[in-house]
Amino acid sequence: SQKIEQNSEALNIQEGKTATLTCNYTNYSPAYLQWYRQDPGRGPVFLLLIRENEKEKRKERLKVTFDTTLKQSLFHITASQPADSATYLCALEGSSNTGKLIFGQGTTLQVKP
Amino acid sequence: EPEVTQTPSHQVTQMGQEVILRCVPISNHLYFYWYRQILGQKVEFLVSFYNNEISEKSEIFDDQFSVERPDGSNFTLKIRSTKLEDSAMYFCAEQGTNQETQYFGPGTRLLVL
Repeated sequence: SQKIEQNSEALNIQEGKTATLTCNYTNYSPAYLQWYRQDPGRGPVFLLLIRENEKEKRKERLKVTFDTTLKQSLFHITASQPADSATYLCALEGSSNTGKLIFGQGTTLQVKP
Repeated sequence: EPEVTQTPSHQVTQMGQEVILRCVPISNHLYFYWYRQILGQKVEFLVSFYNNEISEKSEIFDDQFSVERPDGSNFTLKIRSTKLEDSAMYFCAEQGTNQETQYFGPGTRLLVL
């Protein structure tokens, strides 16, 4: 079955540094991969989508890479700020083409001032 | 960006009781989803709904669950006879016109006692 793995350990970094989060997947070749942000007690908020034919995507301080050979996506936040502290979720569309998303367990990022 | 809204924000119920969770969609969206997230666990797909029909459902979505869009506006999730293990956050999501990005509501926190 399709499986998504994110680093379950929390990532603690100093303000101003670059945070890098990893998402690995197996048993699937997705047409695209998405990253969401989730704050405690809130719903996921869409951040970025990257397609299988794209190597890299940027949006402001965010950058996502997608390596379909390694079956891995990296999510970078440059010049991190305490407000970036949240849980970041990687999601793939399921193979059934109904739009359902399969989520990783998320990585919690803590940016210290 | 328009927001998806959900009601109620919190619901406490006794085991065996029926609950109805409501989602107010963004206009022009056609694809609707329900997900749940048990405390500390990943976001899990429950059901997808398109053109007033279920297009896919997960193993979690058993006979106790149903969805409908009765008046073409609100999108509801009903749990007929709640169990303790139904306690979770329930998120409604809608897919935008690009049919890729999903917009999540703030969630309903359901506690079954």
